[in-house]
Amino acid sequence: DAGVTQSPTHLIKTRGQQVTLRCSPKSGHDTVSWYQQALGQGPQFIFQYYEEEERQRGNFPDRFSGHQFPNYSSELNVNALLLGDSALYLCASSQRGGSKNIQYFGAGTRLSVL
Amino acid sequence: GDSVTQMEGPVTLSEEAFLTINCTYTATGYPSLFWYVQYPGEGLQLLLKATKADDKGSNKGFEATYRKETTSFHLEKGSVQVSDSAVYFCALIQGAQKLVFGQGTRLTINP
Repeated sequence: DAGVTQSPTHLIKTRGQQVTLRCSPKSGHDTVSWYQQALGQGPQFIFQYYEEEERQRGNFPDRFSGHQFPNYSSELNVNALLLGDSALYLCASSQRGGSKNIQYFGAGTRLSVL
Repeated sequence: GDSVTQMEGPVTLSEEAFLTINCTYTATGYPSLFWYVQYPGEGLQLLLKATKADDKGSNKGFEATYRKETTSFHLEKGSVQVSDSAVYFCALIQGAQKLVFGQGTRLTINP
């Protein structure tokens, strides 16, 4: 059973560019959440997708957007990259409903903005 | 809003020492509580969880008890190993919502 997979593993971009990160959830999971982890910090919630809609959003600007596909996979897009966007981006999947609120994380995509 | 506060690191111990990493939380409702571990260069792995007051989560020799009266969820292990060296995150969640993490505690175990 494959866990949460993210691609690419590493990415280098320059300021002003746009980036797309991808996530495939764990089998049987229907909800995908994205987090940003700056160096030496705890992960910060970006947004959560369920049934192809953004259900909740953290304190991130509109430059951060996402999408969920019918197969539950998800993308995170960041436009007009800033140096401060350099971080590890983590995707987590879960199964909505009941007590199944455990989120399982992928290995992350490390984004460097130069 | 909800928040989690962890003891500041880094923490350095010798092998077989007793470990405690303190975690306290602030939440309006009755959250579920988690400890995640992050090994160098990797994502987060769920270590243990507790979903209601007085629950004890345990895994790989680690334990934590959900204390509602003190709003705490301290992580303990009786005898640490070099392989336990990692960053540990305390976190809470309410319903199917977002995880709220502490700042993390870096643990180094020396042989």
